[in-house]
Amino acid sequence: GEDVEQSLFLSVREGDSSVINCTYTDSSSTYLYWYKQEPGAGLQLLTYIFSNMDMKQDQRLTVLLNKKDKHLSLRIADTQTGDSAIYFCAEIANGYALNFGKGTSLLVTP
Amino acid sequence: NAGVTQTPKFQVLKTGQSMTLQCAQDMNHEYMSWYRQDPGMGLRLIHYSVGAGITDQGEVPNGYNVSRSTTEDFPLRLLSAAPSQTSVYFCASRQDLGRNEQFFGPGTRLTVL
Repeated sequence: GEDVEQSLFLSVREGDSSVINCTYTDSSSTYLYWYKQEPGAGLQLLTYIFSNMDMKQDQRLTVLLNKKDKHLSLRIADTQTGDSAIYFCAEIANGYALNFGKGTSLLVTP
Repeated sequence: NAGVTQTPKFQVLKTGQSMTLQCAQDMNHEYMSWYRQDPGMGLRLIHYSVGAGITDQGEVPNGYNVSRSTTEDFPLRLLSAAPSQTSVYFCASRQDLGRNEQFFGPGTRLTVL
C-alpha cells in the first residue's frame, strides 16, 4: 500500500517538548493512532484521534490533525528519558487493518 | 484477561522447514491480524481475519498461510521457511470497527538460517 511517512529519528533534551510528525495517505481514515514501542516489546497504544477532530489532549500528549494536508503530529510535553522509544503513526486501511509508518526513534538525553 | 498471547517467543528454523506461530486472544474480538516488523520497514500486514472462517491477505502474504476456525485463535503458518522471513512477528486483535484500540501480542522473534 501507499506509505505513511514519518521522520526516522528525533533527539531532544529532557524537559523539552518533542514533536513527531506524520503524513498519512487515506483521507477516509476514521481514526488515526499513535503507538509506542519500547525495546524488545510489543506496541502500546498511546493515543488516537477521530477524524472529525482537530486536536486531542491527553495529559502530556497533544495530537494535532490537519485533514486538508493529511498531517498528524504528536507533541510530548516535558519529555522524560522514559519516553525514549519508537513511535508509530497508523491509519485505518481497508476499513480493518492498520497501515503503519516506519516509526520515529525518539532519543531523550539528560 | 490474558489479552493477546503469542507462542513461541523465539524460534530458529532452517531454510525449508515449516512451522506455526500461535496467536490467541481471550477478549472475544472479531478482528485479528498478523504483522511482521523489520528494521527500517515499520510493521507490514501479512494476513487478517474479520471473524471465524474469514481470512484475507494483507500487504505481504506470500509464504504464509492462516486459518480462523475459532474466534480465539489465529495461527500463522510458514510453509517452507526462507531467510527473508527472518523477522519479528506480531499478532493483534480488536473488537470491531467501532472500537478504536488494537491490542498487540508480545511478538515472536523468528530467525531462518
